[in-house]
Amino acid sequence: ETGVTQSPTHLIKTRGQQVTLRCSSQSGHNTVSWYQQALGQGPQFIFQYYREEENGRGNFPPRFSGLQFPNYSSELNVNALELDDSALYLCASSPDDGQGASEQYFGPGTRLTVT
Amino acid sequence: AQSVTQLDSHVSVSEGTPVLLRCNYSSSYSPSLFWYVQHPNKGLQLLLKYTSAATLVKGINGFEAEFKKSETSFHLTKPSAHMSDAAEYFCVVSDRFGGAGNMLTFGGGTRLMVKP
Repeated sequence: ETGVTQSPTHLIKTRGQQVTLRCSSQSGHNTVSWYQQALGQGPQFIFQYYREEENGRGNFPPRFSGLQFPNYSSELNVNALELDDSALYLCASSPDDGQGASEQYFGPGTRLTVT
Repeated sequence: AQSVTQLDSHVSVSEGTPVLLRCNYSSSYSPSLFWYVQHPNKGLQLLLKYTSAATLVKGINGFEAEFKKSETSFHLTKPSAHMSDAAEYFCVVSDRFGGAGNMLTFGGGTRLMVKP
């Protein structure tokens, strides 16, 4: 069974640019969530996708957007990058247990540095 | 919204001694609670989860946690620390939204250091 994978591992961008991060869900999981983890802090929820639609969103501006594909893989897009966007971006997948209590399985993350 | 508070930002123990990482939660209903571990430069690994079945939950690597509703606590313990346990530990509560969706709300983390 393949776990959650993310690409790229590291990325350096300039302020104002746009970035796309990618995630492949664990086999059999139809829900994917994205989190931002700033240095020294716990992860913060960005949004969740379920069956290709945004299912819920945290306190992040619209320049953070996403997609989920029919094979349940996902992308996180960030436009107009700011210095504060520098963080570890984590993707997590989970099965649909119908009760909203599923644990989430995390990928290794993408380290984004904005200069 | 639900929240969790990890009472210690750093905990230091000697190898072979017990580990206690403290967590309190705030919830308006019976929560789903988790503990995750993050080793340096690695993703998050699920240690254990509580979803109202048994109040004492056993996880991987000898860790366990006890859900105490009266104290709104979900402390993580291990009888004997190993050097490989040194990592950042997160207490997490699950918040439901619409359908089958849920978001995880993380505590601030506790860095566990294990001395030889």
